[in-house]
Amino acid sequence: SAVISQKPSRDICQRGTSLTIQCQVDSQVTMMFWYRQQPGQSLTLIATANQGSEATYESGFVIDKFPISRPNLTFSTLTVSNMSPEDSSIYLCSVGPGRGSDEAFFGQGTRLTVV
Amino acid sequence: GQQVMQIPQYQHVQEGEDFTTYCNSSTTLSNIQWYKQRPGGHPVFLIQLVKSGEVKKQKRLTFQFGEAKKNSSLHITATQTTDVGTYFCAPWTHAGNNRKLIWGLGTSLAVNP
Repeated sequence: SAVISQKPSRDICQRGTSLTIQCQVDSQVTMMFWYRQQPGQSLTLIATANQGSEATYESGFVIDKFPISRPNLTFSTLTVSNMSPEDSSIYLCSVGPGRGSDEAFFGQGTRLTVV
Repeated sequence: GQQVMQIPQYQHVQEGEDFTTYCNSSTTLSNIQWYKQRPGGHPVFLIQLVKSGEVKKQKRLTFQFGEAKKNSSLHITATQTTDVGTYFCAPWTHAGNNRKLIWGLGTSLAVNP
């Protein structure tokens, strides 16, 4: 199993500013994922972050808007840059699959409101 | 890209009634996972199915993987208020050198006490 500490849990930000979300995992993991989820909707994958390589972004998401760092096997950050109200959402980090298990584990999420 | 469809989108039941959600894919899946997300929470893994025709049970929950590995279902017997939440199906797929989960839209379950 994996326990993920995600910070901050929520924030209210001014448009045009940036917010960096951090995820710390209690074990070494190869793959980390960053998702966005609007209330009542499904999860949308932003990017996959592997240690030692550049993040792989999904269609509709670009590195300039959502830069990701993955400095080691237990930590990653997602920055939401130059925010607009449309960026208001819940952001989730996730890890998996791991050795012997395909289970995905999630952080508690960051509820972002841009005003 | 690959998609999975889930029906129904919403379901309201009286406590004690049964509930079923269905997950369908146009392509053959190597696996399917089910997750539950409580209101205000994050997704929590329930089960993974990998074999054709596989059936797994967890107390009141029964999971099935179709013979053609293109569909799956989650059935809850005698729902309780603790079953409230959104149930997602999601297969792991390969994307280049990576793997990623393809998430269905989810079925939101409300249980009236």
